[in-house]
Amino acid sequence: AAGVIQSPRHLIKEKRETATLKCYPIPRHDTVYWYQQGPGQDPQFLISFYEKMQSDKGSIPDRFSAQQFSDYHSELNMSSLELGDSALYFCASSITGTGGYTFGSGTRLTVV
Amino acid sequence: AQSVAQPEDQVNVAEGNPLTVKCTYSVSGNPYLFWYVQYPNRGLQFLLKYITGDNLVKGSYGFEAEFNKSQTSFHLKKPSALVSDSALYFCAVRDMNTGNTPLVFGKGTRLSVIA
Repeated sequence: AAGVIQSPRHLIKEKRETATLKCYPIPRHDTVYWYQQGPGQDPQFLISFYEKMQSDKGSIPDRFSAQQFSDYHSELNMSSLELGDSALYFCASSITGTGGYTFGSGTRLTVV
Repeated sequence: AQSVAQPEDQVNVAEGNPLTVKCTYSVSGNPYLFWYVQYPNRGLQFLLKYITGDNLVKGSYGFEAEFNKSQTSFHLKKPSALVSDSALYFCAVRDMNTGNTPLVFGKGTRLSVIA
């Protein structure tokens, strides 16, 4: 079965650069979530989209933005990168009301 | 607000012995409860979930969890631990009655199974 696809798997950026992470949800899933997991930390919710509209917002820095496109894929845009942004970024998708969440394998961002 | 507590940062168990990883939760309404496992430098792997129905939920790799509403707990268990079970385990919750709100994760418990 198709899973949640994230790209790239690994990304190395320098401080103050920008990065774009992509997420392709499972077909017919109507909600996409983004999480950030720092080293040794639990996943922290950043932002979510339901039917291409932002539905919830968590601890997402102002330097970050995200959107969901007409084909339901989502992108997380990160600007003015800081060393502390180094983390594993997960995307998950779900169908509202089913209680099922599927996570992608994540993008490991390293800021140097 | 939703929250999850995993009271143990680390659990050590001998191979072949039963294991328990504890989780308690807090939600306003009825909970959806999940367990995920994470191996080093890997993604979150789904183990099992409680939505409704039987309080004892069976999942992947021989794991099971028991939903206890009165104690607001959802402890993860396995009758006989394997060295390959050594990993980081996360409990997660969301309120069943709040549409598509995101999962809230606990801090994680590192399980170490010793041969």
